[in-house]
Amino acid sequence: GQQVMQIPQYQHVQEGEDFTTYCNSSTTLSNIQWYKQRPGGHPVFLIQLVKSGEVKKQKRLTFQFGEAKKNSSLHITATQTTDVGTYFCAGLNEKLTFGTGTRLTIIP
Amino acid sequence: DSGVTQTPKHLITATGQRVTLRCSPRSGDLSVYWYQQSLDQGLQFLIQYYNGEERAKGNILERFSAQQFPDLHSELNLSSLELGDSALYFCASSGAQGIGTQYFGPGTRLLVL
Repeated sequence: GQQVMQIPQYQHVQEGEDFTTYCNSSTTLSNIQWYKQRPGGHPVFLIQLVKSGEVKKQKRLTFQFGEAKKNSSLHITATQTTDVGTYFCAGLNEKLTFGTGTRLTIIP
Repeated sequence: DSGVTQTPKHLITATGQRVTLRCSPRSGDLSVYWYQQSLDQGLQFLIQYYNGEERAKGNILERFSAQQFPDLHSELNLSSLELGDSALYFCASSGAQGIGTQYFGPGTRLLVL
């Protein structure tokens, strides 16, 4: 079945440093979604990418969808303490499959 | 606030017992999904309902069952509970059958003692 893996599993960064999480699917995806889950909270939708090679930005967050539509990345520039949480990608093929998540912690 | 509600917020019970978790989707959403999230774990998809019918099944144990009612709310029934069933259970809803954004509820934290 479809598998979606994310790396790294954990990332600790100093406040102000950049952060990137990578998402890889075993199958070609129709689209990919990204969610953020704050500590103690529930996953919240961030963005959806549909086109091959698509790049979208939300303030300090940059999302990319690979040319082959099998991988994606989320890059945060100059992290802030409000960025802490777990970032999940979710790939859509016949169904939506969530990745394993990357937990980001910020060292003030 | 996602518009998805879940009750109860917390549940403490004993091994061998049975519990029911309830979810009300966002107004107009026909799909309901159930997920299990254990400590420090990812989201494990359990089951999806669309407009009252089971649409997709994930890693749901035979001791677990779910249903979606005509008013579109859903219930997840967990029986013969074991210590390992302690987890956060999320419900999510979306407007489509299996695609599109999922809106998550606040979750029910289950503790089995």
